[in-house]
Order: sequence, then structure tokens, then C-alpha cells
Amino acid sequence: AQSVTQLGSHVSVSEGALVLLRCNYSSSVPPYLFWYVQYPNQGLQLLLKYTTGATLVKGINGFEAEFKKSETSFHLTKPSAHMSDAAEYFCAVAGGSYIPTFGRGTSLIVHP
Amino acid sequence: GAGVSQSPSNKVTEKGKDVELRCDPISGHTALYWYRQSLGQGLEFLIYFQGNSAPDKSGLPSDRFSAERTGGSVSTLTIQRTQQEDSAVYLCASSPGVAGGTYEQYFGPGTRLTVT
Repeated sequence: AQSVTQLGSHVSVSEGALVLLRCNYSSSVPPYLFWYVQYPNQGLQLLLKYTTGATLVKGINGFEAEFKKSETSFHLTKPSAHMSDAAEYFCAVAGGSYIPTFGRGTSLIVHP
Repeated sequence: GAGVSQSPSNKVTEKGKDVELRCDPISGHTALYWYRQSLGQGLEFLIYFQGNSAPDKSGLPSDRFSAERTGGSVSTLTIQRTQQEDSAVYLCASSPGVAGGTYEQYFGPGTRLTVT
């Protein structure tokens, strides 16, 4: 069995501030973990993924995430938010099932 | 290369009518998924195809929903006797499949279905 919890349906930050989007997972097997971004009226786009190996994963647009097995977490961070980062972000887990399980999403709001 | 494409991009239909939504996956991807996304909601899994195996239909919300995948490529999601609660964005995704050693998915832009 596998599940994902994203803490906070909305996160608001100022432009230039740190972005932190939280994701906790549950999996009965070693997980594959993903973050996707969805801009308005578009499909989801892969930001980054963790499979095996290095626990700090770097993705596109300056985002990164760290796999912490002891905390069952895979939080997404970016040092400095841009207005263009405003979007919906989804965390997903796979491995326990051929069908990835998605969190409910977190809407990132960036204000000037 | 070409990504996942979906058609139509928008569909408005009257309650009770049937609709067909199409998905063209990335060439060579053996896995194909359909999801439904309602306003402000996350992704609701509908159906999963992997190669020539029987599809996993466990997410279909009612027997009005069905899907097929011809030749291991193009997929069609059919909704019969549409209801207003079917209004949503329907997303298709493809993946290299389990044999590819990854579960990462590539999503199409979606079809926005409005039932009036």
C-alpha cells in the first residue's frame, strides 16, 4: 500500500523568499518519489524524481527535494521564489503499485 | 520529440449525451493512464493500461465510463449518458512502463469536459 500527504493546500510566499512545500509518504516497499507542477490550463510536468542513490535530488527551475527515509518525507524547496513559480504542485509515490498515488496538491502563491 | 496529445481540448455536451476523449501517448510508452481532475481537486485515477495486459479499471466511477487502447497506442475514454458531475478535466499520461525501471509519467494537456 502507498499514500501521500501534502501539508497545506495553499502556500503563500513573497518573491525572493524560500519556498517549502511539504510531502510525506507511506509505502510498503522502497518508494519512487516525484514532484510535478501544473500551470493553469496545462497538464502536469515532472519537476524532479527520486528513485535510488543520492537523496538530494535537483530538478528543473531551481527546485530540489530531499528524500528522508527516517521521516518518510520528500519536501520540495527553492531558495528564492519567482512570480513564474506560481502553480499547483503535486507529490506522488510509486513502487508499491504500478499506479502512482498523488497527493491532493499544494497551490503556491507568489506575491510581489 | 512529440509529447502526449489529447483531443479535443474542450468539449461541451448536453446531459445524457455520450462523449469520446482521445489520447495519443508518446511513441514506445507501454503504460497509459487516465485521470480526472475536478475544480480545485487532486487527480482521481480512472484506468491503467500496461502493454497487452488486461487494464486496471479499478478507478472507473461507474459503468458509464469505459476505455480502450488500440494497438498498444491510442486510447479512447468513453463516457455514456453524461451527467453534470462528469464535468472535469480529463488527463492522460503515458510512461515507459515497469520494464523501463521508472514510474515517471508524461501528461497531456487534458480535455476540459463541460456537461450542461
